[in-house]
Order: sequence, then structure tokens, then C-alpha cells
Amino acid sequence: DGGITQSPKYLFRKEGQNVTLSCEQNLNHDAMYWYRQDPGQGLRLIYYSQIVNDFQKGDIAEGYSVSREKKESFPLTVTSAQKNPTAFYLCASSYDGTGNQPQHFGDGTRLSIL
Amino acid sequence: GEDVEQSLFLSVREGDSSVINCTYTDSSSTYLYWYKQEPGAGLQLLTYIFSNMDMKQDQRLTVLLNKKDKHLSLRIADTQTGDSAIYFCAEIRPSGNTPLVFGKGTRLSVIA
Repeated sequence: DGGITQSPKYLFRKEGQNVTLSCEQNLNHDAMYWYRQDPGQGLRLIYYSQIVNDFQKGDIAEGYSVSREKKESFPLTVTSAQKNPTAFYLCASSYDGTGNQPQHFGDGTRLSIL
Repeated sequence: GEDVEQSLFLSVREGDSSVINCTYTDSSSTYLYWYKQEPGAGLQLLTYIFSNMDMKQDQRLTVLLNKKDKHLSLRIADTQTGDSAIYFCAEIRPSGNTPLVFGKGTRLSVIA
């Protein structure tokens, strides 16, 4: 079955540590996205990539980094510069980046601080 | 940018209809989407409507679009306990740096 796989489901970070969240898709989609969701909030865009080897900052990119070396993979690194990283992180993909194709979501990774 | 607005909570009795409302901001949005999020899960695409349509029906779901007022609604007929979730509307922002902008979500509680 085609879909988006995020791992791990739960992740704990120590102070000063970088952690990487995995997102893989086998839908052959060109565009991929990372969102952050806080309780009672909507989704806020961190980074997105419309094509391999290219990505753009979203509204809250500070303290995060991404790479897009393969079409199927869009890992997100939460760096120590992100002072409030506790949140639910959602990865999505779409056929293209125009917005005229719907985004499909993974099941999320919940990140907490130890 | 400007916000996509939704009421935060809605409570209905099982078997009644639910209507979730959304006000969007960009009149040039080509598509508007409704997503459903169950606890601890990602977002599931429920339905969408193209901007040249006024209404779209899909089984128990009816989407109404009023472009003049930039108002979108999702009606769920014969609401069931399994419909309890958070519902997000989302609009395309062609000119912004965020391709798709989400509302904060409406938490629907269905009372048996």
C-alpha cells in the first residue's frame, strides 16, 4: 500500500541535543512538507520541498533543518537552537507543490523534552 | 498572514446533523479542503471543493462554498460517535510562502 511513514512515533530529546525525525513516502510525490502542531493550534509549516535537492522555509523554520536528497525521503532535524521543541510533528506529501493537489499526511511523531 | 477562522468546539447528539464553519481569506484560492484528525493520528483528507463550485456532496458529507463571503461549511448528516474528531479547513495561498494554510480546527464531540 502506498503511504507516508513517519518514525519514530514517540521521541525524547535531552537538552542541547539534536534529533532527527524520519519521513518516507512511496506515493511518487514530488512535494513534501513538515508541520508542527501544538495543543489547540492549527498546523504551522516548518519547511517544504517541491522537488529533490530544493526546499523552502515555512513560517517557523528557526531551529530546524531539512534535507531532500531523495524523492522518497524528507528528514527533519530539530536542533538545540529550537528552545521549545515539544510538539506533534506531521509530515505530508502531495503530487506537486501547487496546492491544487491535496496533501496526504503521516501519523506523526510526538517529541518531548527529558 | 491572515488567519483561517473556525469555531473551536461543537457538540451534537448522535443522529443529528453537524455543521462546521470556516472563514477563509484568499479569494484566489482554487481549492479548499476539509481534513479530519483523530486523537494521536495524522490528518485524513475528507473532501475538497473547487472554487467554481457552490456545493459538493459525498455520502454523509456536504460542503457548501460562499465565495462572496469567503465562507466554507462542512455538514455531516446522521452524525455518529466515530465522527468525534478535530476537523480542519485549509485554503491554498497562491501568493504566500505557505502553500496551504490551516484553520485551528473544530473539535466535534458526539454525544450518544
